[in-house]
Amino acid sequence: DSGVTQTPKHLITATGQRVTLRCSPRSGDLSVYWYQQSLDQGLQFLIQYYNGEERAKGNILERFSAQQFPDLHSELNLSSLELGDSALYFCASSETSGRFTDTQYFGPGTRLTVL
Amino acid sequence: AQTVTQSQPEMSVQEAETVTLSCTYDTSESDYYLFWYKQPPSRQMILVIRQEAYKQQNATENRFSVNFQKAAKSFSLKISDSQLGDAAMYFCAYSEYNNNDMRFGAGTRLTVKP
Repeated sequence: DSGVTQTPKHLITATGQRVTLRCSPRSGDLSVYWYQQSLDQGLQFLIQYYNGEERAKGNILERFSAQQFPDLHSELNLSSLELGDSALYFCASSETSGRFTDTQYFGPGTRLTVL
Repeated sequence: AQTVTQSQPEMSVQEAETVTLSCTYDTSESDYYLFWYKQPPSRQMILVIRQEAYKQQNATENRFSVNFQKAAKSFSLKISDSQLGDAAMYFCAYSEYNNNDMRFGAGTRLTVKP
């Protein structure tokens, strides 16, 4: 158990809908990262937040957005969902220094299925 | 763009034996980090080992060790005394020291035979 929690574990929705994925980092970690893992694209970095502020942005679509709250939990919002958005979404957290190259501890992931 | 290549989609090892997973990467940077992550059937991503490029000494974590060849841009993972619980997907990853991205290889599926 990495100490990172993600909810829900599974999510099934329809095209065009909007969903919110939630992540709670390890105790004391200030950085949260979001990743998407799909069969065709592999594992891709989406975005990083550090202490409430966006720190780094990767291959994230404009239909997707994220935020980190004062209690450091983070939410990833996916809107206007398409079939291709079906994937496993991971959240990871790292130590308080906030450097991207810190060791990242991954959560169990949320499996999103878009029908 | 930096790329990470894992040329072995699947590997198999007998329990208690040793197996080496390959990873190569492409970069023009001198400072960077390399990682091996394990993804078991539970789908969680678990950090196995980490190597800083400026360190010449190969990282080790119990039964896991790496062979880091900076000039060759190679970063292989050796698993000694393989156990059934080592069966998983293994991902090699690269991150620059001052960059905002982390790149992953396509993964190697390791099967451990009893």
